[in-house]
Amino acid sequence: DAKTTQPPSMDCAEGRAANLPCNHSTISGNEYVYWYRQIHSQGPQYIIHGLKNNETNEMASLIITEDRKSSTLILPHATLRDTAVYYCIVIKAAGNKLTFGGGTRVLVKP
Amino acid sequence: KAGVTQTPRYLIKTRGQQVTLSCSPISGHRSVSWYQQTPGQGLQFLFEYFSETQRNKGNFPGRFSGRQFSNSRSEMNVSTLELGDSALYLCASSSGTSGARRETQYFGPGTRLLVL
Repeated sequence: DAKTTQPPSMDCAEGRAANLPCNHSTISGNEYVYWYRQIHSQGPQYIIHGLKNNETNEMASLIITEDRKSSTLILPHATLRDTAVYYCIVIKAAGNKLTFGGGTRVLVKP
Repeated sequence: KAGVTQTPRYLIKTRGQQVTLSCSPISGHRSVSWYQQTPGQGLQFLFEYFSETQRNKGNFPGRFSGRQFSNSRSEMNVSTLELGDSALYLCASSSGTSGARRETQYFGPGTRLLVL
Protein backbone atom coordinates (compact mmCIF):
# COMPACT_ATOMS: atom_id res chain seq x y z
CA ASP A 1 0.00 0.00 0.00
CA ALA A 2 1.18 3.53 -0.77
CA LYS A 3 2.67 5.60 2.02
CA THR A 4 1.00 8.80 3.18
CA THR A 5 2.40 12.00 4.66
CA GLN A 6 0.40 14.22 7.00
CA PRO A 7 1.33 17.21 9.15
CA PRO A 8 1.80 16.07 12.75
CA SER A 9 -0.58 18.59 14.25
CA MET A 10 -2.87 21.50 13.55
CA ASP A 11 -5.22 23.77 15.46
CA CYS A 12 -8.64 24.84 14.34
CA ALA A 13 -11.15 27.35 15.68
CA GLU A 14 -14.52 26.02 16.72
CA GLY A 15 -17.14 26.67 14.05
CA ARG A 16 -14.60 27.13 11.29
CA ALA A 17 -13.75 24.67 8.55
CA ALA A 18 -10.80 22.38 9.18
CA ASN A 19 -8.77 21.41 6.12
CA LEU A 20 -6.53 18.40 6.66
CA PRO A 21 -3.99 17.68 3.92
CA CYS A 22 -2.53 14.33 2.97
CA ASN A 23 0.15 13.47 0.42
CA HIS A 24 0.14 10.06 -1.26
CA SER A 25 2.38 10.61 -4.26
CA THR A 26 3.00 6.88 -4.87
CA ILE A 27 -0.66 5.93 -5.00
CA SER A 28 -1.57 3.47 -7.73
CA GLY A 29 -4.69 3.22 -9.81
CA ASN A 30 -6.52 0.64 -7.75
CA GLU A 31 -5.85 2.22 -4.36
CA TYR A 32 -8.47 4.05 -2.34
CA VAL A 33 -7.90 7.00 -0.03
CA TYR A 34 -9.47 6.42 3.39
CA TRP A 35 -9.79 8.72 6.37
CA TYR A 36 -10.31 7.58 9.94
CA ARG A 37 -10.08 9.46 13.19
CA GLN A 38 -9.36 8.33 16.69
CA ILE A 39 -10.48 10.17 19.75
CA HIS A 40 -8.28 9.48 22.75
CA SER A 41 -8.45 5.85 23.93
CA GLN A 42 -11.33 4.98 21.63
CA GLY A 43 -11.47 2.79 18.53
CA PRO A 44 -10.81 4.46 15.15
CA GLN A 45 -13.90 5.92 13.53
CA TYR A 46 -14.42 5.69 9.77
CA ILE A 47 -14.98 9.11 8.19
CA ILE A 48 -14.94 8.87 4.41
CA HIS A 49 -13.17 7.30 1.46
CA GLY A 50 -12.72 7.89 -2.26
CA LEU A 51 -11.01 6.65 -5.38
CA LYS A 52 -10.94 9.49 -7.92
CA ASN A 53 -13.94 11.72 -7.41
CA ASN A 54 -14.59 14.11 -4.57
CA GLU A 55 -16.87 12.67 -1.93
CA THR A 56 -19.14 14.13 0.73
CA ASN A 57 -21.08 12.60 3.57
CA GLU A 58 -22.65 13.82 6.78
CA MET A 59 -19.30 14.04 8.52
CA ALA A 60 -16.90 15.50 5.99
CA SER A 61 -15.86 16.14 2.41
CA LEU A 62 -12.92 14.55 0.65
CA ILE A 63 -11.19 16.42 -2.14
CA ILE A 64 -8.78 14.35 -4.26
CA THR A 65 -6.50 16.11 -6.74
CA GLU A 66 -6.78 15.16 -10.38
CA ASP A 67 -3.41 13.35 -10.34
CA ARG A 68 -4.53 11.62 -7.08
CA LYS A 69 -1.20 12.40 -5.43
CA SER A 70 -2.80 14.33 -2.60
CA SER A 71 -6.13 14.85 -0.90
CA THR A 72 -7.78 17.11 1.65
CA LEU A 73 -10.30 16.17 4.29
CA ILE A 74 -12.65 19.02 5.10
CA LEU A 75 -14.61 19.20 8.33
CA PRO A 76 -17.04 21.98 7.42
CA HIS A 77 -17.86 23.29 10.91
CA ALA A 78 -15.41 21.97 13.48
CA THR A 79 -16.68 21.35 16.99
CA LEU A 80 -14.78 20.58 20.18
CA ARG A 81 -15.77 16.92 19.73
CA ASP A 82 -13.78 16.82 16.50
CA THR A 83 -10.55 17.00 18.51
CA ALA A 84 -8.82 13.75 17.57
CA VAL A 85 -5.98 12.18 15.60
CA TYR A 86 -6.92 11.96 11.93
CA TYR A 87 -5.40 9.23 9.80
CA CYS A 88 -5.16 9.27 6.03
CA ILE A 89 -4.42 5.84 4.57
CA VAL A 90 -4.25 4.34 1.13
CA ILE A 91 -5.52 0.83 0.60
CA LYS A 92 -5.62 -1.50 -2.37
CA ALA A 93 -8.95 -2.64 -3.75
CA ALA A 94 -8.63 -5.98 -2.04
CA GLY A 95 -7.05 -6.91 1.25
CA ASN A 96 -7.83 -6.05 4.79
CA LYS A 97 -4.59 -5.04 6.48
CA LEU A 98 -4.96 -1.46 7.62
CA THR A 99 -1.84 0.40 8.72
CA PHE A 100 -2.04 3.82 10.33
CA GLY A 101 0.87 6.23 10.19
CA GLY A 102 1.37 9.08 12.64
CA GLY A 103 -1.72 10.97 11.57
CA THR A 104 -2.55 14.61 12.26
CA ARG A 105 -3.42 15.58 15.79
CA VAL A 106 -6.21 18.15 15.44
CA LEU A 107 -7.07 20.40 18.35
CA VAL A 108 -10.29 22.37 18.02
CA LYS A 109 -10.19 25.45 20.20
CA PRO A 110 -13.15 27.49 21.47
CA LYS B 1 -27.64 -0.85 13.29
CA ALA B 2 -25.59 -1.56 16.35
CA GLY B 3 -21.89 -1.05 15.94
CA VAL B 4 -19.01 -3.40 16.66
CA THR B 5 -18.89 -4.41 20.29
CA GLN B 6 -15.93 -5.71 22.23
CA THR B 7 -15.73 -7.25 25.65
CA PRO B 8 -14.27 -6.72 28.10
CA ARG B 9 -13.31 -3.07 27.73
CA TYR B 10 -10.51 -3.22 30.27
CA LEU B 11 -8.43 -6.08 31.55
CA ILE B 12 -5.49 -6.45 33.91
CA LYS B 13 -3.46 -9.66 33.80
CA THR B 14 -0.08 -10.82 35.05
CA ARG B 15 2.80 -12.23 33.04
CA GLY B 16 2.33 -15.84 32.05
CA GLN B 17 -1.45 -15.77 32.17
CA GLN B 18 -3.65 -16.12 29.13
CA VAL B 19 -6.52 -13.91 28.00
CA THR B 20 -9.51 -14.19 25.67
CA LEU B 21 -11.08 -11.15 24.06
CA SER B 22 -14.44 -11.14 22.31
CA CYS B 23 -15.79 -9.20 19.35
CA SER B 24 -19.30 -9.03 17.91
CA PRO B 25 -19.35 -7.54 14.41
CA ILE B 26 -22.00 -5.35 12.87
CA SER B 27 -25.04 -7.43 11.97
CA GLY B 28 -24.59 -8.94 8.52
CA HIS B 29 -20.81 -8.49 8.47
CA ARG B 30 -18.87 -11.68 7.96
CA SER B 31 -15.30 -10.44 8.12
CA VAL B 32 -13.62 -9.67 11.42
CA SER B 33 -10.09 -8.31 11.70
CA TRP B 34 -8.03 -7.89 14.85
CA TYR B 35 -5.41 -5.22 15.48
CA GLN B 36 -3.00 -4.34 18.25
CA GLN B 37 -2.34 -0.66 18.89
CA THR B 38 0.51 0.62 21.03
CA PRO B 39 2.07 4.10 21.28
CA GLY B 40 5.39 2.80 20.00
CA GLN B 41 4.30 0.52 17.15
CA GLY B 42 1.05 2.13 16.12
CA LEU B 43 -1.68 -0.03 14.62
CA GLN B 44 -0.57 -3.55 13.72
CA PHE B 45 -2.66 -6.17 11.97
CA LEU B 46 -3.05 -9.47 13.78
CA PHE B 47 -5.40 -11.56 11.64
CA GLU B 48 -8.66 -11.60 9.74
CA TYR B 49 -11.44 -14.15 9.82
CA PHE B 50 -14.12 -14.68 7.24
CA SER B 51 -16.76 -17.41 7.40
CA GLU B 52 -14.99 -19.09 10.32
CA THR B 53 -11.68 -19.31 8.41
CA GLN B 54 -8.54 -17.30 8.91
CA ARG B 55 -8.09 -15.39 5.67
CA ASN B 56 -5.07 -13.20 6.48
CA LYS B 57 -2.44 -13.20 9.17
CA GLY B 58 0.03 -10.60 10.41
CA ASN B 59 3.51 -11.08 11.85
CA PHE B 60 2.72 -12.02 15.40
CA PRO B 61 3.97 -15.06 17.33
CA GLY B 62 1.86 -18.17 17.74
CA ARG B 63 0.85 -17.04 21.22
CA PHE B 64 -1.73 -14.90 19.44
CA SER B 65 -4.60 -16.91 18.02
CA GLY B 66 -8.18 -16.38 17.08
CA ARG B 67 -11.33 -18.01 15.88
CA GLN B 68 -14.66 -17.11 14.43
CA PHE B 69 -18.01 -18.69 15.13
CA SER B 70 -20.86 -19.41 12.75
CA ASN B 71 -22.64 -16.22 13.85
CA SER B 72 -19.50 -14.24 12.84
CA ARG B 73 -18.60 -13.39 16.42
CA SER B 74 -14.88 -13.69 16.96
CA GLU B 75 -12.51 -14.28 19.81
CA MET B 76 -8.80 -13.78 20.07
CA ASN B 77 -6.60 -15.45 22.62
CA VAL B 78 -3.16 -14.52 23.88
CA SER B 79 -1.32 -17.17 25.85
CA THR B 80 1.68 -16.76 28.12
CA LEU B 81 1.26 -13.01 28.39
CA GLU B 82 4.32 -10.77 28.29
CA LEU B 83 4.68 -7.19 29.49
CA GLY B 84 4.94 -6.07 25.86
CA ASP B 85 1.46 -7.39 25.15
CA SER B 86 0.00 -4.42 26.99
CA ALA B 87 -1.96 -2.61 24.31
CA LEU B 88 -5.32 -1.59 22.95
CA TYR B 89 -6.76 -4.52 21.02
CA LEU B 90 -9.15 -3.49 18.31
CA CYS B 91 -11.63 -5.48 16.34
CA ALA B 92 -12.97 -4.28 12.99
CA SER B 93 -15.75 -5.73 10.89
CA SER B 94 -16.64 -5.46 7.23
CA SER B 95 -19.11 -7.25 5.01
CA GLY B 96 -16.28 -9.23 3.43
CA THR B 97 -18.25 -10.24 0.38
CA SER B 98 -17.56 -7.63 -2.30
CA GLY B 99 -14.55 -9.32 -3.83
CA ALA B 100 -12.65 -6.81 -5.92
CA ARG B 101 -13.80 -3.60 -4.26
CA ARG B 102 -12.27 -2.29 -1.05
CA GLU B 103 -14.38 -2.96 2.00
CA THR B 104 -14.78 -0.33 4.67
CA GLN B 105 -13.79 -1.58 8.10
CA TYR B 106 -15.66 -0.38 11.15
CA PHE B 107 -13.87 -0.55 14.46
CA GLY B 108 -15.08 -1.43 17.90
CA PRO B 109 -14.16 0.55 21.04
CA GLY B 110 -11.28 -1.79 21.82
CA THR B 111 -10.14 -3.78 24.82
CA ARG B 112 -7.35 -2.18 26.82
CA LEU B 113 -5.10 -4.90 28.20
CA LEU B 114 -2.54 -4.19 30.88
CA VAL B 115 -0.03 -6.92 31.70
CA LEU B 116 1.75 -6.56 35.03
